[in-house]
Amino acid sequence: AQSVTQLDSHVSVSEGTPVLLRCNYSSSYSPSLFWYVQHPNKGLQLLLKYTSAATLVKGINGFEAEFKKSETSFHLTKPSAHMSDAAEYFCVVSGTYKYIFGTGTRLKVLA
Amino acid sequence: DAGITQSPRHKVTETGTPVTLRCHQTENHRYMYWYRQDPGHGLRLIHYSYGVKDTDKGEVSDGYSVSRSKTEDFLLTLESATSSQTSVYFCAITGTSGSRDNEQFFGPGTRLTVL
Repeated sequence: AQSVTQLDSHVSVSEGTPVLLRCNYSSSYSPSLFWYVQHPNKGLQLLLKYTSAATLVKGINGFEAEFKKSETSFHLTKPSAHMSDAAEYFCVVSGTYKYIFGTGTRLKVLA
Repeated sequence: DAGITQSPRHKVTETGTPVTLRCHQTENHRYMYWYRQDPGHGLRLIHYSYGVKDTDKGEVSDGYSVSRSKTEDFLLTLESATSSQTSVYFCAITGTSGSRDNEQFFGPGTRLTVL
């Protein structure tokens, strides 16, 4: 069985400061992991994915995530937040034909 | 952008009425999914399809049925809508191989309100 936990439901950062969105997963086998972003009243867009190649994954818009098997984590980071990063972010673990979503982290960026 | 459309985009209906939502893809992808999104719950899988006429239940399938008679169309039906089914519904597709490495592509969503 697989599951995913997003540790913070809301995160606030100031523009220009680093972003950290935390995700822990549980999987009975080597997982594939994804981060999606959803801007207000929009659909979901893939930010990045981990599929057992490099443990540090780079995505769009300056985001990256590091797969840490020992910590069962896949945290999303960005060195410098931009106002346009304000959105909801979802961590996802995939199983056989199914994708398990975390409950989401809403990122607020303060001017 | 992946060619996924959903119709209608918004719907208001009354308790007890049947409702059908349509998802249409132009990508010829094998796997299609219906999710609902509610605050604090993320996206939860309702049903999914792994081919024409092949469907299976997700974690919140009670009160919903689906049909897939063509590769490109996946219909979600609420036989008798209830207020608890007020939600935003997303359709998604994923790659032809079914590999768990494949990312999903999402439609724009349907906002359903049941009064």
